[in-house]
Order: sequence, then structure tokens, then C-alpha cells
Amino acid sequence: QVQLVQSGAEVKKPGASVKVSCKASGYTFTGYYMHWVRQAPGQGLEWMGRINPNSGGTNYAQKFQGRVTMTRDTSISTAYMELSRLRSDDTAVYYCARVSGLGWYVDYWGQGTLVTVSS
Amino acid sequence: DIQMTQSPSSLSASVGDRVTITCQASQDISNYLNWYQQKPGKAPKLLIYDASNLETGVPSRFSGSGSGTDFTFTISSLQPEDIATYYCQQYDNLIFTFGPGTKVDIK
Repeated sequence: QVQLVQSGAEVKKPGASVKVSCKASGYTFTGYYMHWVRQAPGQGLEWMGRINPNSGGTNYAQKFQGRVTMTRDTSISTAYMELSRLRSDDTAVYYCARVSGLGWYVDYWGQGTLVTVSS
Repeated sequence: DIQMTQSPSSLSASVGDRVTITCQASQDISNYLNWYQQKPGKAPKLLIYDASNLETGVPSRFSGSGSGTDFTFTISSLQPEDIATYYCQQYDNLIFTFGPGTKVDIK
């Protein structure tokens, strides 16, 4: 069965970077786009961008351009999202999300990784 | 970028009531509109894709309709387990956008 297992919670200081991993299993990793979505405490869902695990090509939301980098390691079926120059308002749960091969919707989500930015 | 609005932002209804949520896009998105349910502390769950298609395993009391800029999500008979926040999501030109969400609870 499809599973996306994310790395554990992180606490970072303002100005630092964080790298969250998302290990995929149960399907062909290179066959499906992986997206990243975040959710600040008590807030809605915010799309950050996506990566094509096959080519490594990326598209980022304009808000995060220059601060986010999405990469992958196909040898271990893992996607990564790195966010730099962290601020307190980056405190959020970060989700990886597989997009269906049949349409533009998320069919599987990771469990989420809480990133807390605090001095 | 396309903006998504949802209404209402919250609602309270009785068990068995019909519940309707609307989602509006700032420009035509054809039928590239999906609906998710999120319960506290959990990842979202896909309910409806491409505006009106019920995801496998989702109860038939959930439905969606619409195209272009105006979309509707309906729970035909609200159940206690439907307490959650519901989000619409659109796809256009490589970008996803989520609506602000509608919190549903029991009266």
C-alpha cells in the first residue's frame, strides 16, 4: 500500500534552515509528482510547490521563491523540502502529498512534520 | 494567480441536515476543483475530485457540482463523524491553490 513517511519534528532558530524528508513506498516513486503543503497553527492549507521525481524539475509558489528548494533521491524513494531563512511565521506542519496520476488532486498525504521556529 | 473563496467560513448544523458549502474561483478553472476533509491533527483526505467525482470509499452522502468559477459541495445528511474542516483546491497552470476552509460542527 502507498505510504509517505516524513521525518520528525524540528525546532529551529530564526534565520536557520530546515530540511524535511518524505520517504515513499508502495508505488513507483518516479511515476508521480510530489507536492509540499504547509499549515500554520489554526490556519488553512498553503501550497508550497512540487517536484517531478523523475526529472527533478520543480515549480514553486511565488511566495516561497528563493527560500524553498525541493529535491529527491530516487535511489531511496525520498523527496526533500528545504526552507531557508526561517521566520517565526514559518512555524507550521509541513506535509508531502502525492498527486494522482489520473488528475490534479492529492491522493496520498504524509503524516506531517511540525517545524517550530523560535528564538 | 487564481484566488479561491469559500463560504461560509463556519457552520453549525444538526445531525441529518443537508449541508452546502460553496467555492468560487477568481477565473475559469473548468472542472479542476477538488474537495478535502480535514479532522484535527490529521492530514487532509480527498473526498471529491474534478468537481463532481466521488473518491473510492467515500460515503455517497458527499457530493460536488459546478464548473467554471462556481462550485458546490454537499453533505446530504450530516453525520457526527463529518465534523471537520472542508477545503476546496484548484489546479491551474502548474499551481495549486486551496480555499480558506469551512469548519463544520454539530448544533
